[in-house]
Amino acid sequence: KNQVEQSPQSLIILEGKNCTLQCNYTVSPFSNLRWYKQDTGRGPVSLTIMTFSENTKSNGRYTATLDADTKQSSLHITASQLSDSASYICVVSARTGTYKYIFGTGTRLKVLA
Amino acid sequence: EPEVTQTPSHQVTQMGQEVILRCVPISNHLYFYWYRQILGQKVEFLVSFYNNEISEKSEIFDDQFSVERPDGSNFTLKIRSTKLEDSAMYFCASTPGPLGESPLHFGNGTRLTVT
Repeated sequence: KNQVEQSPQSLIILEGKNCTLQCNYTVSPFSNLRWYKQDTGRGPVSLTIMTFSENTKSNGRYTATLDADTKQSSLHITASQLSDSASYICVVSARTGTYKYIFGTGTRLKVLA
Repeated sequence: EPEVTQTPSHQVTQMGQEVILRCVPISNHLYFYWYRQILGQKVEFLVSFYNNEISEKSEIFDDQFSVERPDGSNFTLKIRSTKLEDSAMYFCASTPGPLGESPLHFGNGTRLTVT
């Protein structure tokens, strides 16, 4: 069964600190993996996409990694800011004729001043 | 930057009533979607729409649900007879091409509360 699991469920850090969010998936056949940021009361916004051949991709202070062998991805946030407080959702795409997006439950990050 | 807009932002309705959630996708996008997110749970796929017809739907999207593109800009989700368990955030999304080739562009959602 296609599943995406994220950890931790929630995280509190101080402003300026770094953090790493984890995503484990059992999705087949794997097409790509995206990290989305969802601010409270808003729709998710795509941060980055990882394809099978990519190991690392950065978008500003966000760096995503992908290990296709172990089926794990991480999102590292550097020098966190108050505006980073949000839910971060890992979404894995499977291609079985048509594409299917399998959503994780998200990690709720709170950055404190 | 163009965005997906949804109205209303919050809808309260009584059980058994019909509701229509409205969305204006990004103008040059051709594929449209509805997702829902029950409070504290993951985002769930409801339906995808392309070329004026449903291309795929989930088990959630039963006979109580319908979608329509009544004109060149609006994309609506109708729930015919709402149930308490329909209470959720409903997100409209669009993509310029087929799903998988580009990220979903989500609206900010309609919070539906069924009492």
